[in-house]
Amino acid sequence: EPEVTQTPSHQVTQMGQEVILRCVPISNHLYFYWYRQILGQKVEFLVSFYNNEISEKSEIFDDQFSVERPDGSNFTLKIRSTKLEDSAMYFCASGDQSPRAFFGQGTRLTVV
Amino acid sequence: DQQVKQNSPSLSVQEGRISILNCDYTNSMFDYFLWYKKYPAEGPTFLISISSIKDKNEDGRFTVFLNKSAKHLSLHIVPSQPGDSAVYFCAAYAPSGTYKYIFGTGTRLKVLA
Repeated sequence: EPEVTQTPSHQVTQMGQEVILRCVPISNHLYFYWYRQILGQKVEFLVSFYNNEISEKSEIFDDQFSVERPDGSNFTLKIRSTKLEDSAMYFCASGDQSPRAFFGQGTRLTVV
Repeated sequence: DQQVKQNSPSLSVQEGRISILNCDYTNSMFDYFLWYKKYPAEGPTFLISISSIKDKNEDGRFTVFLNKSAKHLSLHIVPSQPGDSAVYFCAAYAPSGTYKYIFGTGTRLKVLA
């Protein structure tokens, strides 16, 4: 079964550094998402992306965050200047015309 | 702003019995609901979904019931198996104008052998 792939599985970074989280969505999907889950909390929506532009973003997705689809396969989330509170599991998801998203295994981001 | 709520943080059930996980929502614009299962350190895995035009959807041991008037849905797992032990998230989707899923807080199900 096709799957969403995320790299790296774990990223440790110093506060203030930039990080890029990478995702390879399922190939024929058109809708892309980033979510995050802080330890012990719920899965929170960050941003959705369709037709090469952001469809919607949450309050969490401030100017420190950006997304890109640099080529036909990758979908990236960049955090420009990480803060301690950015430590979380970040999940990429993709979907087709049906309202059903497939999630990757996640990247655990630890900001120290 | 908790538009999707799962009021039971945890549930324990004996193997072979029925597990019932509940979810409430507040936004009547939601027209599609999904259940995801999540193991620690893994991404959510799609389990089953239901459109708002239906009141029941069944897939093997899993059945989702939707009560639109009460803005309530439930996931029934029968018979429960130890491998079902995970965190279950209810999610709601409103495709008109937005492209996002709103997740509930999750219910940790433990199936006891």
